[in-house]
Amino acid sequence: SQQGEEDPQALSIQEGENATMNCSYKTSINNLQWYRQNSGRGLVHLILIRSNEREKHSGRLRVTLDTSKKSSSLLITASRAADTASYFCATGLSGTYKYIFGTGTRLKVLA
Amino acid sequence: GAVVSQHPSWVICKSGTSVKIECRSLDFQATTMFWYRQFPKQSLMLMATSNEGSKATYEQGVEKDKFLINHASLTLSTLTVTSAHPEDSSFYICSARALAATSTDTQYFGPGTRLTVL
Repeated sequence: SQQGEEDPQALSIQEGENATMNCSYKTSINNLQWYRQNSGRGLVHLILIRSNEREKHSGRLRVTLDTSKKSSSLLITASRAADTASYFCATGLSGTYKYIFGTGTRLKVLA
Repeated sequence: GAVVSQHPSWVICKSGTSVKIECRSLDFQATTMFWYRQFPKQSLMLMATSNEGSKATYEQGVEKDKFLINHASLTLSTLTVTSAHPEDSSFYICSARALAATSTDTQYFGPGTRLTVL
């Protein structure tokens, strides 16, 4: 399967703490995107990082990409209860327009 | 921003019937649309790539006769689940790639359609 792996599968933290999620993939990519999904709802695009970039920031989000290790991480700082959701990485495969999603991390932020 | 809609947002049907799900790009033209399936508490699995005016390309393990895809215009792709069975119950999500995209990252997701087969 081409599907990326994410860890941890589930993460429970207190409000105000930081949350880190990791994504590993198998093939060459053009870019990698992170999405959030609330239970039973559609996807919300969070951030995109291109294959020639190493780090990007957006508000409380920080994404890193290490193409040599085929891995990415998403850091959410100062988490809030509203951040409770599932988070997915999606890798844009080189030479195609396809995106392959990771297995996801279920984040629960306790108030 | 670019908007992709799906219709219906949810559908319940009896086993053996066929269900059609529409994916529309509302304010842009999409040469390519993608269909994903998501089972409860699992990730999205790419089912097929839909190209306007040509046959869809299915991922390994996806039955093309079971999941019929038609991309008749630059703003509409349809997924028909034929002879649906309870195991086809899932959340179906489409995404659309803009015609004018100069890179591969201009892709927009629809809100999803929840199918329940009784």
